[in-house]
Amino acid sequence: DVKVTQSSRYLVKRTGEKVFLECVQDMDHENMFWYRQDPGLGLRLIYFSYDVKMKEKGDIPEGYSVSREKKERFSLILESASTNQTSMYLCASLDFPTDTQYFGPGTRLTVL
Amino acid sequence: GENVEQHPSTLSVQEGDSAVIKCTYSDSASNYFPWYKQELGKRPQLIIDIRSNVGEKKDQRIAVTLNKTAKHFSLHITETQPEDSAVYFCAASIGTGNQFYFGTGTSLTVIP
Repeated sequence: DVKVTQSSRYLVKRTGEKVFLECVQDMDHENMFWYRQDPGLGLRLIYFSYDVKMKEKGDIPEGYSVSREKKERFSLILESASTNQTSMYLCASLDFPTDTQYFGPGTRLTVL
Repeated sequence: GENVEQHPSTLSVQEGDSAVIKCTYSDSASNYFPWYKQELGKRPQLIIDIRSNVGEKKDQRIAVTLNKTAKHFSLHITETQPEDSAVYFCAASIGTGNQFYFGTGTSLTVIP
């Protein structure tokens, strides 16, 4: 059974702080994704990675960066958090060859 | 890039009735179309998917149809039950290793 975990379910940070969100998967998947979910906007892709140290920008990468030093771990970094980054953040990993995405439980981030 | 539109944004049905959710996509290269269900407070989970070489796929009370010419695909839920109440997302992808483009979601309420 695929397991995708995220470091925090709820996080409250202040404007300007550096924020780290971590995602870990235990199925040796190569592809991993970071999305943010906002009401009425669906899931929007921030970044994805198809291999260790490889990353690709998604649709809304501004204000975010990522790190993939190990295959099982994909981190999302908010260099200087702003209030408009208050959102639900979902991580996912992709199973090949079924193309099924397995999501983590999400981190609800509030930036004050 | 790909643009996925989903309608309606909210849908209420009586228990036992059918529900239909429709999505359109813009990129004719898209060839994989999954549907995800997200119950309140939980992570999205894949419920059914279809590939571009198939016109219809069924799994018990759930079916998905694809019209490649018109670039639209639909989710059909028959004999709806209260536990079908959730937000449903459609998505499109060009293929393995590529990003997924999600619709904005449909909040389905099944009234007992």
